[in-house]
Formats: sequence, structure tokens, C-alpha cells
Amino acid sequence: KNEVEQSPQNLTAQEGEFITINCSYSVGISALHWLQQHPGGGIVSLFMLSSGKKKHGRLIATINIQEKHSSLHITASHPRDSAVYICAAPLWNTDKLIFGTGTRLQVFP
Amino acid sequence: DADVTQTPRNRITKTGKRIMLECSQTKGHDRMYWYRQDPGLGLRLIYYSFDVKDINKGEISDGYSVSRQAQAKFSLSLESAIPNQTALYFCATSGFGASGATDTQYFGPGTRLTVL
Repeated sequence: KNEVEQSPQNLTAQEGEFITINCSYSVGISALHWLQQHPGGGIVSLFMLSSGKKKHGRLIATINIQEKHSSLHITASHPRDSAVYICAAPLWNTDKLIFGTGTRLQVFP
Repeated sequence: DADVTQTPRNRITKTGKRIMLECSQTKGHDRMYWYRQDPGLGLRLIYYSFDVKDINKGEISDGYSVSRQAQAKFSLSLESAIPNQTALYFCATSGFGASGATDTQYFGPGTRLTVL
């Protein structure tokens, strides 16, 4: 079992739909990261959160420490949101990130 | 200009050749990382460095070596490349988070390496 698991692996949506991507982890962590990998391969950090919720534009990330679960939501999805979304967690007392395998999102017009 | 740059962006080489991938950053970060990405797998840590004198192995360091020439430069070498090292390689940097844990990581554009 991977220490960081994401679901779904693939997701398609129509423009305007509300998107949810889930991340579960099985180890103690100090914070959880959400990353976006563009079709060209570049990776951008979206959020780092250790509790509660963070919002940036149409993106919202939440984390429930007790349930070891985080979600990334995209409101009013757009074709430019098409990318692979990756969650990652540093193991407690280390600085090494463990990455999920990613969720491939395609948003169609 | 990009904060984290990698050279080359693409490389095709033959089995047995020595390859060096270079990473430079202008963010002033002490922490630098090398990852590889394979289809269907998450990013995996090869090596990381918390300052010029500090080098640490990640989960898949066999077959690789690194050099931290300066705060801004971190190179990854494949001493004798083999086909299963064909992958997308990313360099990343981070600052030191307030809690001591890894702060936001900033990734380079990646190097696509093919070993024939």
C-alpha cells in the first residue's frame, strides 16, 4: 500500500463543473502539498497546508488531520485546469516528500 | 527568468555513457532535491542537499551521484547510464519552513532523459 494515495486516477469533466480530487495518507505528516503538473511537464506548487482550508482563486484545499485525508476542489472548472494534480507529504520529522501518483484531469469545453 | 533552471532539457544517450544533469537556482534556497518521474509512478527522491556540505541519499540513489558545487548549483550524474534510467528528472529547491518541515518546493522544468 502506498503511503500517499490519490483518487481518482483519471477524471474528465465538462467546463463549469465542480471538481474534487482526494488524497489519503497512512503516515504521520507535518504538512501536505498539492502540486499541479502541466501537460508540458512543468510542476507548480499550489498549496501547502497543515490544518483547515486554504483558497486561491478557484482552487480550495482542505485537510482533516484526524482522518488523514485531504481534498483539492476546483470550482467552475475550465479547460486550462487540465493537468495532473499531485499530493505529497513529508514524513514526520523528515524533510523528504512522499508523492502520490497523481490525478489526471481533463476538462472539456 | 526562471527561478530554477535545468540543463539539458532533453538528452538521448547510449548505455554505458556518463551523463550529467545540471540545476541552478536564483531563489537563494539552501535545500535542493533531485527527483525522477516514471509513467504511473509518483515522483521519487534520488538525492537531496540541505547546504553545500550536506548531501543525503533518497529512496533510489543507486546508479546516481550528485555534486553541490555552490548554494545555487546541484548536479546529478549517471556514471554509467542504463535503459531503466530513462525517465523525466526534476530538480527542486525549498526554503526552511517555520515548523522545520519542508517548505514549498519550487521545481525546475525537467530533463527528459532517454538511454538507448
